Amino acid sequence: AQSVTQLGSHVSVSEGALVLLRCNYSSSVPPYLFWYVQYPNQGLQLLLKYTTGATLVKGINGFEAEFKKSETSFHLTKPSAHMSDAAEYFCAVSFFGNEKLTFGTGTRLTIIP
Amino acid sequence: NAGVMQNPRHLVRRRGQEARLRCSPMKGHSHVYWYRQLPEEGLKFMVYLQKENIIDESGMPKERFSAEFPKEGPSILRIQQVVRGDSAAYFCASSPPVGRVSNEQFFGPGTRLTVL
Repeated sequence: AQSVTQLGSHVSVSEGALVLLRCNYSSSVPPYLFWYVQYPNQGLQLLLKYTTGATLVKGINGFEAEFKKSETSFHLTKPSAHMSDAAEYFCAVSFFGNEKLTFGTGTRLTIIP
Repeated sequence: NAGVMQNPRHLVRRRGQEARLRCSPMKGHSHVYWYRQLPEEGLKFMVYLQKENIIDESGMPKERFSAEFPKEGPSILRIQQVVRGDSAAYFCASSPPVGRVSNEQFFGPGTRLTVL
C-alpha cells in the first residue's frame, strides 16, 4: 500500500521568498508522483508530475519538484513566491497498474505581502 | 475541449434524503474516479469506473453509496438516506484509456454537499 505525508499543514512565506512544500511517500513499487493545487471552492489543477526519466520536473507557474528515491521525497519548490500562489497544495502518489491517487492531507500556503 | 463537468455545484439535502451527483468526463476519456474531501482534509479515493464497469470500489462506504458509469450519459454517484457526516466536497476526475504513460487525472470543480 502507498501513502503520502506532507509535513506542515500551514506554510507562510513572504512575497518574493523561496517556497518549499515537503512531500514524502511510501510505496513498494516505483511511484508516479503528482502535485496538485486547489484554490478556494475550486477543483484540483495539476502543477506537475513525475513518472519516469528526469528526476527534476518543471511544472506550471514556475514550480518544480525533484524526485529523490533515496529519500522517498518529492518536495515542491518555487524560487520566488507570488501573491497568486496562495492556495492549498496536495501531493499524491499512484503507480502503474493501480489507478487511484493517494493524497496527502495538504499544505495551505499563505503569502505575506 | 471542455474539462470535466460536475453538477450540481452545490447540493443541499435533509437527513434521510437521496443525493445524486453527476460527472461528465473530458471528451475521449473513458475512466472516471470519484473522491471525497471532508472539511480540512485531503481527498480520499472512493471508486474507479470505466464504461459500464466498476473497476475498484475499495474506498466506497459499504452502505448507502453507489456509483455507475453507463454506456451513455454521465457517471452518477448516489448517496441514499444521507446523514450529516456525508457533508463534503465530492470530486470527479477522468483519464484517457489504457495505454497512457502516467495515471494523470483531470479533476472537475466538485459538488459541495451539505446535509441539514
